[in-house]
Amino acid sequence: DAGVTQSPTHLIKTRGQQVTLRCSPISGHKSVSWYQQVLGQGPQFIFQYYEKEERGRGNFPDRFSARQFPNYSSELNVNALLLGDSALYLCASNLAGGPFDNEQFFGPGTRLTVL
Amino acid sequence: DAKTTQPNSMESNEEEPVHLPCNHSTISGTDYIHWYRQLPSQGPEYVIHGLTSNVNNRMASLAIAEDRKSSTLILHRATLRDAAVYYCIGNGGSQGNLIFGKGTKLSVKP
Repeated sequence: DAGVTQSPTHLIKTRGQQVTLRCSPISGHKSVSWYQQVLGQGPQFIFQYYEKEERGRGNFPDRFSARQFPNYSSELNVNALLLGDSALYLCASNLAGGPFDNEQFFGPGTRLTVL
Repeated sequence: DAKTTQPNSMESNEEEPVHLPCNHSTISGTDYIHWYRQLPSQGPEYVIHGLTSNVNNRMASLAIAEDRKSSTLILHRATLRDAAVYYCIGNGGSQGNLIFGKGTKLSVKP
């Protein structure tokens, strides 16, 4: 079975530009979460979407936005890129069947470099 | 969400058991304890989770203290492929929101 897929694998942008990252969850998973992982740190929660609705949002500025499509895939958009946005962006999916069903399946991530 | 404390790094010899500790003294009665690991250049991978009782699966065992203020992830026979950063996470059952700390970097020596 295919796992969580993310595209692109790597991306280089310059300050001020905008970027869109894409994620396809495991088939049957209706929840998608996004995380940012800066080098040397653990992943930090950005957003969670379930059934196309935003379920949770971490402590990130409004430059970060996301959406989920009817097929449960998701996009993360970051506007007005800053050098500090350079990180590994991880997407995770889960069944979201309830509060106990919390095993997250992570994709390999998109490495974003902002110059 | 419960704050967790883990050692920054640990070392183990191949084929020996490894005990990775985690303190989560602020954990609430409904917080599950989750363990994930992240191998180099990969996304985090689920290892195990539990609430009160000790848990076993094909990857590891999770021993939870009776007062639930600490837990230990047990790898019964470490292999070189187990070298990774191990994250202990306590959260309130939110459907997608995992709060990662810095984790414990496990090195396995042949």
